[in-house]
Amino acid sequence: GAGVSQSPSNKVTEKGKDVELRCDPISGHTALYWYRQRLGQGLEFLIYFQGNSAPDKSGLPSDRFSAERTGESVSTLTIQRTQQEDSAVYLCASSLVITTTNEKLFFGSGTQLSVL
Amino acid sequence: GQNIDQPTEMTATEGAIVQINCTYQTSGFNGLFWYQQHAGEAPTFLSYNVLDGLEEKGRFSSFLSRSKGYSYLLLKELQMKDSASYLCAVINEGGGFKTIFGAGTRLFVKA
Repeated sequence: GAGVSQSPSNKVTEKGKDVELRCDPISGHTALYWYRQRLGQGLEFLIYFQGNSAPDKSGLPSDRFSAERTGESVSTLTIQRTQQEDSAVYLCASSLVITTTNEKLFFGSGTQLSVL
Repeated sequence: GQNIDQPTEMTATEGAIVQINCTYQTSGFNGLFWYQQHAGEAPTFLSYNVLDGLEEKGRFSSFLSRSKGYSYLLLKELQMKDSASYLCAVINEGGGFKTIFGAGTRLFVKA
């Protein structure tokens, strides 16, 4: 596709339920990020995929959070047993890594997650 | 560790010039970005600096001093549509070249 696509755009769930968020990066982009943004706050790094390297999971806030990526395409972020504190916008971004310098990030429109 | 600091909020007048500062401490450095984010929208790329000095792009300029761990974004001839959050982000070499963001600066442009 032409840009980074995220689905769903909005998700309302009950506390304790599992949710799965999806990201389709720009074709050919080897780097993919997930960030969390709470209302009025900055972007909190969650996880980073780069090509075939092991993902950098250092930003995942708890073991309830996990993410997978199929090759250099689709990624899913899964939050198990959701809590109200998980309510936020989850942003996915991708970039074309040419050398060891990351190129600029292209962001999806995000998934607004509301946990009731 | 890593730390990226920006002012939380700034207010400026339409037509004026505003400078948004960013200081960083990271375990390795491989470039600095500025992104613009309007309320309810995704961030979009503004500028990239990897060498010391000033990069100019229309009304927006970005400056970097690697020795001081310091950058600023300069916005000239402010327009109402420039009201947004401005995010400073650093490519953290020590962290596997991933991009880490500061908390952002909310800029309010008043008439």
